[in-house]
Amino acid sequence: QVMLMQPGPEVKKPGASVRVSCTTSGYTFSSYYIHWVRQAPGQGLEWVGFVDPNRGDSKYARKFQGRLTMTRDASTSTVYMELSGLRFDDTAVYYCARHRSINQFDCWGQGTLVTVSS
Amino acid sequence: EIVLTQSPGTLSLSPGEGATLSCRASQSLSISDLAWYQQKPGQAPRLVIFAASSRATDIPDRFSGSGSGTDFTLSISRLEPEDFAVYYCQYSENSVVTFGGGTRVEIK
Repeated sequence: QVMLMQPGPEVKKPGASVRVSCTTSGYTFSSYYIHWVRQAPGQGLEWVGFVDPNRGDSKYARKFQGRLTMTRDASTSTVYMELSGLRFDDTAVYYCARHRSINQFDCWGQGTLVTVSS
Repeated sequence: EIVLTQSPGTLSLSPGEGATLSCRASQSLSISDLAWYQQKPGQAPRLVIFAASSRATDIPDRFSGSGSGTDFTLSISRLEPEDFAVYYCQYSENSVVTFGGGTRVEIK
């Protein structure tokens, strides 16, 4: 079955960088964009950006541009999200999600909690 | 940039009652690009409705979606205990994604 696997929690200091992985299985890796969505504690869902696993193209929400890099490794069916210059308000659960051509996120990772703390 | 406004913020209902959740867009949307998700505490969101009115896999038929233009609705005909959760509408245009602020459906 389709699965998106994410690592356990991360704790980082302000100004540091974090890289979160999303390892996919159960489908053709190159066929679906992978998006990242984050959720601060007690808050709603916020779109972060996406990567096209086929071509490696990416697009980010305007607020993250300059701090965000999304990449993919086709050999391991894994996508990566790296956020730099971490701030306290970057503390959130970061989810990866598979996006289908008719707009829908049909499969989600379990989420990775990133805590920014001094 | 499209803004999605969900109302009410919280809906307090009893099991067996019906629920009506609203998602209003700042401009007219393509029906094919409006989706709804359910999220329970500590869990990832789960797709409920896509293309405004199509139920996702394994979603029971007490869930239905409707709407067009700027006004969309998620209806739950008879609330089961497992339906109490937060629901989000979501839109995608030119690969830019927007979520509504969510409606919490809580047990009265």
